[in-house]
Formats: sequence, C-alpha cells, structure tokens
Amino acid sequence: GAVVSQHPSRVICKSGTSVKIECRSLDFQATTMFWYRQFPKQSLMLMATSNEGSKATYEQGVEKDKFLINHASLTLSTLTVTSAHPEDSSFYICSARDPRGETEAFFGQGTRLTVV
Amino acid sequence: GQNIDQPTEMTATEGAIVQINCTYQTSGFNGLFWYQQHAGEAPTFLSYNVLDGLEEKGRFSSFLSRSKGYSYLLLKELQMKDSASYLCAVMDSNYQLIWGAGTKLIIKP
Repeated sequence: GAVVSQHPSRVICKSGTSVKIECRSLDFQATTMFWYRQFPKQSLMLMATSNEGSKATYEQGVEKDKFLINHASLTLSTLTVTSAHPEDSSFYICSARDPRGETEAFFGQGTRLTVV
Repeated sequence: GQNIDQPTEMTATEGAIVQINCTYQTSGFNGLFWYQQHAGEAPTFLSYNVLDGLEEKGRFSSFLSRSKGYSYLLLKELQMKDSASYLCAVMDSNYQLIWGAGTKLIIKP
C-alpha cells in the first residue's frame, strides 16, 4: 500500500534554532499533505494544509512565519520550525492521501521534537 | 460548528469484546475513519465507512449510521496489544479530516 515517510523521527535542538522535518510520499504523488501536532494525551491538531506549487493554508492560531511549509514537489513537503522554543516541543505528524481514488489518509511515522 | 465525540477512556478484559462509540456533527460527510494509535507512534488505519452498515475486518468491525451521526468500533477477542488510543475521524465536505479526541483503551489481564 501507499507509504508516507517522515524524517527525522526524533530531534533535540537548542532554543532559538530552526528544525526542518521532511514528509515524503513514497509510491504516489501527493498534491496535498497535512501537518499535525499532537501534545501528550491529546488528539491530532491540524496545523496546515500543504499544497504543491502554492502557499500552504494555515489553521487559525498557527503562526505561518514560525512554521514554514514548503511543498516543492509532488512527493515532498517540509515543515520548518523557526526559532524554536521549549513550548514548541511536541509530536509532529504529516499525512497525505493518494489522489488515485483512495480516501485513506496515510501518516508519516511522526517526529518527536524536544527543544531545550 | 463541527464536533466529534467519543469516550475519553475505556477498560476491558483480555479476551472480551469492547465497543467504542463515536458521534459526529460535521459540515458534510465523505466518510468516517477509525485509527489506532499507540503511545508515541503515529496513527495506523483501521477502517473506513461511507455507507450505512457494518464493515468487518478480522477481530475489528466498524458500524456507521449516517442518519444518526453515529459510528462504533467493535473489537473482539481482545489482546493486550490492543491497548492503545482509538481515534474517530470524519471527512467533511471539503475532504478535511475532523478528529475526535480519541478513546484510550486499557486492557486488563
């Protein structure tokens, strides 16, 4: 079946630095990818919808200048957390749907970000 | 507004059967999903219902009633590895997934 790969799975960074997370669809072309964050014991919160070749659509309350999304190709979307702070520590997950008719959302493995 | 409701936590015994309910109110409906999520991991797909009725897949079954805005996930012959959170999600008219908060299922020996 379709697979979405996310990298890195874990990252620890210093406060004030930036971190880039990659999300790749491995056997299908994803015109749209979704970025979520999940705090402990809470459900997924949609941050933004990444659209290939155009600007991402951010959910209310999500700072687009802090969470930079680039969807430069049909198989790759990146999320960059800029000037990270400890409160940005969270589990970030991407997902994508195969546009060839499947409705299931495939998830990346997730990235555990810890800002120290 | 859009809303997905499911119980916060449930406890069941190994070998038994458990039913996790989900009710929803969304702007449009393009299907309902159930995902399993173990702590610290990404969700994994369990089932998809778009028509009324029961879909069975091994030990897991999912039911949908669109007129009632209701679904349930039925887990049979529970195993300890089934301890996880179970997320209900509805795809709305814009093909966006609206997520429930998840139900933490605790399996006891």
